[in-house]
Amino acid sequence: AQTVTQSQPEMSVQEAETVTLSCTYDTSESDYYLFWYKQPPSRQMILVIRQEAYKQQNATENRFSVNFQKAAKSFSLKISDSQLGDAAMYFCAYRSPDSNYQLIWGAGTKLIIKP
Amino acid sequence: NAGVTQTPKFRVLKTGQSMTLLCAQDMNHEYMYWYRQDPGMGLRLIHYSVGEGTTAKGEVPDGYNVSRLKKQNFLLGLESAAPSQTSVYFCASSYSRGNQPQHFGDGTRLSIL
Repeated sequence: AQTVTQSQPEMSVQEAETVTLSCTYDTSESDYYLFWYKQPPSRQMILVIRQEAYKQQNATENRFSVNFQKAAKSFSLKISDSQLGDAAMYFCAYRSPDSNYQLIWGAGTKLIIKP
Repeated sequence: NAGVTQTPKFRVLKTGQSMTLLCAQDMNHEYMYWYRQDPGMGLRLIHYSVGEGTTAKGEVPDGYNVSRLKKQNFLLGLESAAPSQTSVYFCASSYSRGNQPQHFGDGTRLSIL
């Protein structure tokens, strides 16, 4: 069975600086999808970025980018120019093309932004 | 843009009571999901549905039942609530293609006394 591990329960960064959140996963599949979701104190789950495993190019969405290392089964999220509004829980998730596309979730990383 | 709507947002129940959580989506998504989120943990899948009239068990299905009589609605039922079911419940929906993200409701905070 697939598993997703986020080894950093909490991270802090100074406003305007860059922070990287780590995520590793375990799978025997070659085709899959990876996602980062953000959950601010409002509790809403918001998609940040997604990556298809067959794509070598790392996904980028404005200040958010990923470092996808397929061989190492690593999917880290880099946030550049951190802003106060980035403070949230960040969850990494894996989606298999089998199992009816269920998402397997990591335990989350709490990101604190210092003004 | 309504997206995914969950009702109610908060509820307090006594042990043994029953209730139904409602989820409605207006995006014509085929797949719908119910998760629970407990402190310090990621989301855990309770039940899911890949289409109208179909449901399947997820990771933690015991004590819950679901129904999807209409494509846009997915109901989660607790027949006899237990304190261990105190949690925040999220409904989500998505298209069937694998690279499509799940869209979430705002969650329901449920406390069982």
